[in-house]
Amino acid sequence: GDSVTQMEGPVTLSEEAFLTINCTYTATGYPSLFWYVQYPGEGLQLLLKATKADDKGSNKGFEATYRKETTSFHLEKGSVQVSDSAVYFCALGSARQLTFGSGTQLTVLP
Amino acid sequence: NAGVTQTPKFQVLKTGQSMTLQCAQDMNHNSMYWYRQDPGMGLRLIYYSASEGTTDKGEVPNGYNVSRLNKREFSLRLESAAPSQTSVYFCASSERELAGSSYNEQFFGPGTRLTVL
Repeated sequence: GDSVTQMEGPVTLSEEAFLTINCTYTATGYPSLFWYVQYPGEGLQLLLKATKADDKGSNKGFEATYRKETTSFHLEKGSVQVSDSAVYFCALGSARQLTFGSGTQLTVLP
Repeated sequence: NAGVTQTPKFQVLKTGQSMTLQCAQDMNHNSMYWYRQDPGMGLRLIYYSASEGTTDKGEVPNGYNVSRLNKREFSLRLESAAPSQTSVYFCASSERELAGSSYNEQFFGPGTRLTVL
C-alpha cells in the first residue's frame, strides 16, 4: 500500500538557518504530494503541493520538488524564522485519501 | 466564513462511556473526513464520506461509527470508549474526493482532544 517516510525530529535550528526535511514515498500510480503545517493548538494547513513529476511547490519561502526517480518530496527553506516553529507533515494523495508521514517537529530559536 | 468547526475542543471520558464528536463545514464541500492523530504516527484516517449519503472505512475504523447528517455535518461516535482511543481527532473536508493525481486540498478543523480514563 501507499506509505510516506518522513525525517524524524525534533529539529532545532537557529533563526536564518537553512532547513531541509526529508520525505520519501511509496505509491502505485501517480500520486499528488503535499506538505502540511500544524502550528501549536491548531489543525493542519496546506503549505504547498505538487501534482506531477518535476513540479515544484512553493509558499512562504518553502519549496519542495516532486522527484519521481528518487520518490522524494523534500521540504526546504533558505532562511527559517521563529514563526516557522511548527510540526510539518508530508502527505501523499491517491485514490480517495491522504496518507501522512509521522510529522517533524521544527523549533527555531532566536 | 468559519471553515471547518469541531465540538467539543476537549473531552474526558471514562472507559465504556459513549460520546459523539461533531463536525461542520460551511464551504459547500462534498467530501468529509475523520482522522486521529497520535504521537509519532501522523494522522490516520478513521472514516470518510465522499459525498452526502455515503460513508466508507479508512485505515482505523474499529470502535467508531459515523453519520453524514447532511452536506454540512459529519459526526463521529464512540459507542464504548477505550483508553486506546485517547487521541486528538481532526475533521477535514474537501471539494470532492481525491482521484488519481487530481489535486484536491483538504481543510482541517482545530481538533478535539479526547482522553479516555
